[in-house]
Amino acid sequence: NAGVTQTPKFQVLKTGQSMTLQCAQDMNHEYMSWYRQDPGMGLRLIHYSVGAGITDQGEVPNGYNVSRSTTEDFPLRLLSAAPSQTSVYFCASSTDLSYEQYFGPGTRLTVT
Amino acid sequence: LAKTTQPISMDSYEGQEVNITCSHNNIATNDYITWYQQFPSQGPRFIIQGYKTKVTNEVASLFIPADRKSSTLSLPRVSLSDTAVYYCLVGGGSSGNTGKLIFGQGTTLQVKP
Repeated sequence: NAGVTQTPKFQVLKTGQSMTLQCAQDMNHEYMSWYRQDPGMGLRLIHYSVGAGITDQGEVPNGYNVSRSTTEDFPLRLLSAAPSQTSVYFCASSTDLSYEQYFGPGTRLTVT
Repeated sequence: LAKTTQPISMDSYEGQEVNITCSHNNIATNDYITWYQQFPSQGPRFIIQGYKTKVTNEVASLFIPADRKSSTLSLPRVSLSDTAVYYCLVGGGSSGNTGKLIFGQGTTLQVKP
């Protein structure tokens, strides 16, 4: 099992550009989520999904879109990148919200 | 949503036992308490989870008093490789807050030789 994979590992965007951060898991987990982590801070939940076709907002959803068309994939879209979105983004998955979440290696995004 | 409060940082020495306490006064009846460990440039890693009393696994113990308003992560005989940020999370129950697990700022543990 590859676990949770994220691509790309690093990305530099200009203000106003859009992009998609990819996340995939091969553990058949129903629950997936996206977090951002800013320097010296904890993780903040952006969006999450409890199954294919079902998504909901977390703490900081503005400026991000998600969709969940398959169990395996949960992409995060930045519609119009802003410098405030410079961060490290982590994707996670779990069998159930109550259970252990498995995190990907992260995507380091810089918006100039 | 249950909010957690942890010390920002702690120092310890190799071989000592470390106890990190987390306060969660607004914990809901169905909420679990989960602890994660994070090393620099890596995603968090699950350490332990509990609902009440005491839970022990190969790396840590989790102590939860009867009122469940706090919890203590205990790391026995720490080594330099235990230097990391430790997060306490509360949630995951079927109380209507499904999906909103909230990470706090975490506790930075520095283990010294």
